[in-house]
Amino acid sequence: GESVGLHLPTLSVQEGDNSIINCAYSNSASDYFIWYKQESGKGPQFIIDIRSNMDKRQGQRVTVLLNKTVKHLSLQIAATQPGDSAVYFCAEKGGANNLFFGTGTRLTVIP
Amino acid sequence: SAVISQKPSRDICQRGTSLTIQCQVDSQVTMMFWYRQQPGQSLTLIATANQGSEATYESGFVIDKFPISRPNLTFSTLTVSNMSPEDSSIYLCSVGLAAEQYFGPGTRLTVT
Repeated sequence: GESVGLHLPTLSVQEGDNSIINCAYSNSASDYFIWYKQESGKGPQFIIDIRSNMDKRQGQRVTVLLNKTVKHLSLQIAATQPGDSAVYFCAEKGGANNLFFGTGTRLTVIP
Repeated sequence: SAVISQKPSRDICQRGTSLTIQCQVDSQVTMMFWYRQQPGQSLTLIATANQGSEATYESGFVIDKFPISRPNLTFSTLTVSNMSPEDSSIYLCSVGLAAEQYFGPGTRLTVT
């Protein structure tokens, strides 16, 4: 099956700095990727998605970059806030519309 | 978007017993999914439960252990049968709407 993994399990940033969370995937045929945020005691929350025909997509304070050559995905959070502290997962959509999740990165924002 | 609720939110169960988790959605959806999230880990898909068809289980998960019902377009149940401590996890349901997938808050299960 697909393999989706993350480079760093934890990330600590100062409030106001930018955060970058990375993800590698192994299935070169994958065409849809999603970033989720999971706060303690809650289910994952959709942040942003990107299709394989795009290299970059921007949302509010978040940007996702896709490098298909090296099968790498990143999530950039601008001006990180304490409320951004959570575990972030990248996910890859499978053929049956199910999701294959990476291992997760815990982001801690230091006030 | 979709609002998803799960019952119970958490439970502590004895080994050998079974627990049925309910998932309710505020709109009609065709695709529903059940995931397991073991402590400190990522989410793993258990099965896909589309209304009108048998649930499709992922490798490592079987119907006898995790029977699923999908009686209508807004509701599903997952039963964790003959529980052991290894079944201690968070169980999450999710629904697919257009290209997005929304998750419930999860059911935290502890098996003693």
